[in-house]
Amino acid sequence: DAGITQSPRHKVTETGTPVTLRCHQTENHRYMYWYRQDPGHGLRLIHYSYGVKDTDKGEVSDGYSVSRSKTEDFLLTLESATSSQTSVYFCAISESVLRDSPLHFGNGTRLTVT
Amino acid sequence: EDQVTQSPEALRLQEGESSSLNCSYTVSGLRGLFWYRQDPGKGPEFLFTLYSAGEEKEKERLKATLTKKESFLHITAPKPEDSATYLCAVQALPRQAGTALIFGKGTTLSVSS
Repeated sequence: DAGITQSPRHKVTETGTPVTLRCHQTENHRYMYWYRQDPGHGLRLIHYSYGVKDTDKGEVSDGYSVSRSKTEDFLLTLESATSSQTSVYFCAISESVLRDSPLHFGNGTRLTVT
Repeated sequence: EDQVTQSPEALRLQEGESSSLNCSYTVSGLRGLFWYRQDPGKGPEFLFTLYSAGEEKEKERLKATLTKKESFLHITAPKPEDSATYLCAVQALPRQAGTALIFGKGTTLSVSS
């Protein structure tokens, strides 16, 4: 693994409650990403960060917010969870925009919203 | 709209039976095409990056090739441990997004002994 820890690994929550997922990296990489993976859709980008306090939206950002106050931590928050946000969430990191800098993924957080 | 399509969705092979997985893409400007392997309950694991048509890369029983419109992942004499979902992705977003990728839905490969 590329030094990426996601927590929690599993979570069950109720509709309408706030949820925060954490991604911690030990690689000191500049870029961090949140993806969700759903059957029939593949991996879809939610938000990404290109530096401390620098973030931007991805393809499916509605209902999600992110924060990055330190290089090593990237938080994904669901302000008010909905059943459509039941998914597996993956954090990924990359070192730079240069060639030979692929994404490396954590092992995911399985979130169930009841 | 940038898009990645993988086929087939699922593939069953006997041990030693070679085959290929396909990834076709439409992007406004390809910066790179990536192959990943994903095992159940795990995150995707990086395999290859291809940048230009005609490029090939190999790793053990896997060889990836790239044309202007598609990529192939050739699996030679597969073994049961090659069973996994193989994901194809393209890098085509603004430079500030780093290596943000657009993924296909994957091909699930099952190799039986």
